[in-house]
Amino acid sequence: DTGVSQNPRHKITKRGQNVTFRCDPISEHNRLYWYRQTLGQGPEFLTYFQNEAQLEKSRLLSDRFSAERPKGSFSTLEIQRTEQGDSAMYLCASSLDPTVSKEYFGAGTRLSVL
Amino acid sequence: DQQVKQNSPSLSVQEGRISILNCDYTNSMFDYFLWYKKYPAEGPTFLISISSIKDKNEDGRFTVFLNKSAKHLSLHIVPSQPGDSAVYFCAASGSGATNKLIFGTGTLLAVQP
Repeated sequence: DTGVSQNPRHKITKRGQNVTFRCDPISEHNRLYWYRQTLGQGPEFLTYFQNEAQLEKSRLLSDRFSAERPKGSFSTLEIQRTEQGDSAMYLCASSLDPTVSKEYFGAGTRLSVL
Repeated sequence: DQQVKQNSPSLSVQEGRISILNCDYTNSMFDYFLWYKKYPAEGPTFLISISSIKDKNEDGRFTVFLNKSAKHLSLHIVPSQPGDSAVYFCAASGSGATNKLIFGTGTLLAVQP
């Protein structure tokens, strides 16, 4: 069990640029979540995958955001035309057992949009 | 609308004493409640959970109490240790098939030696 891995750990970009983050979940976990956390707040749900299927998207996920999980393994989160308001910590979590809601989190990718 | 609320942004406790962290929720459909601990530069780490059909769950120094009628839960840490100093998030799930977590805003616990 190597845990949930996220890359990069930090990303600094200029407004208007596209960025992509990667999440490698715990290998046998079929459920994968993306959350966003801003200063002074708890993580907020963005989207959920079960295997390769994206089953739920939050209203927070504007059209500029897209997430994929090809083959039900790693996942990517892309933000197009970044805005300063996108600056946040992006957290990925995975889980196996839906009955107890326990999710394992990665260390996150901190995005700063200048 | 904040469905999960942690009204105390911070708490300071002496080493060896009890730490009590509180959480309130509004959605009676939640069926699982969890506490996560977060150190700086790390992701949240699962600490303890409780099903809505129970009123207490204990794991070592950590106990979570659930009062469904008051829509309130609390985390007790006894005895508190300096290594417990972190941000604690209360979370709830169950209002949908995804089991996504709804988090509170967190409480920063400082355990003084």
